[in-house]
Amino acid sequence: EPEVTQTPSHQVTQMGQEVILRCVPISNHLYFYWYRQILGQKVEFLVSFYNNEISEKSEIFDDQFSVERPDGSNFTLKIRSTKLEDSAMYFCASLGAGELFFGEGSRLTVL
Amino acid sequence: GDSVTQMEGPVTLSEEAFLTINCTYTATGYPSLFWYVQYPGEGLQLLLKATKADDKGSNKGFEATYRKETTSFHLEKGSVQVSDSAVYFCALEDNAGKSTFGDGTTLTVKP
Repeated sequence: EPEVTQTPSHQVTQMGQEVILRCVPISNHLYFYWYRQILGQKVEFLVSFYNNEISEKSEIFDDQFSVERPDGSNFTLKIRSTKLEDSAMYFCASLGAGELFFGEGSRLTVL
Repeated sequence: GDSVTQMEGPVTLSEEAFLTINCTYTATGYPSLFWYVQYPGEGLQLLLKATKADDKGSNKGFEATYRKETTSFHLEKGSVQVSDSAVYFCALEDNAGKSTFGDGTTLTVKP
């Protein structure tokens, strides 16, 4: 069964460092998303991406965040200068047949 | 904007007890409704969904009915098992594929 894959599964970084989280969406899907879940809290929408551009973003998705689809398969989330409050689980998702398929998440810990 | 309100947790039940987790929503348009489950240390998994009013989603003994008149999508299971212990998220998805999640309800089932 096709699935969304994310790497790394866990990343520990120092505050102020750049982080890139990678996702490989399901191959025939066209819409991609990043969500964030701070430990013990709800899942929050960050950004949606379609046709090589951002289609919608939340207020969380400020100038420190960017997304890119550098090739035909990867979909990346970059945080330019991490803050302590960026520590969270980041989920990638792609949309197919009206259903969101989530990856298993990348846990980011900012020290 | 869209919002989802879930019954506050945590919920603790004995094995074979009846489960209800309430979920109500506010949305413009006609969203699809979902329940996701998150087992400890894992990502989000789709549990069930309903795409229009009066649809019933079901999976693994869980059921939820899309009630437009009460804007609700309550999750039920007739007899819970220890393995059902997890966090359950109610969510709605708008026409653009963007999902809004509830706060999550932690269910613990004791033998």
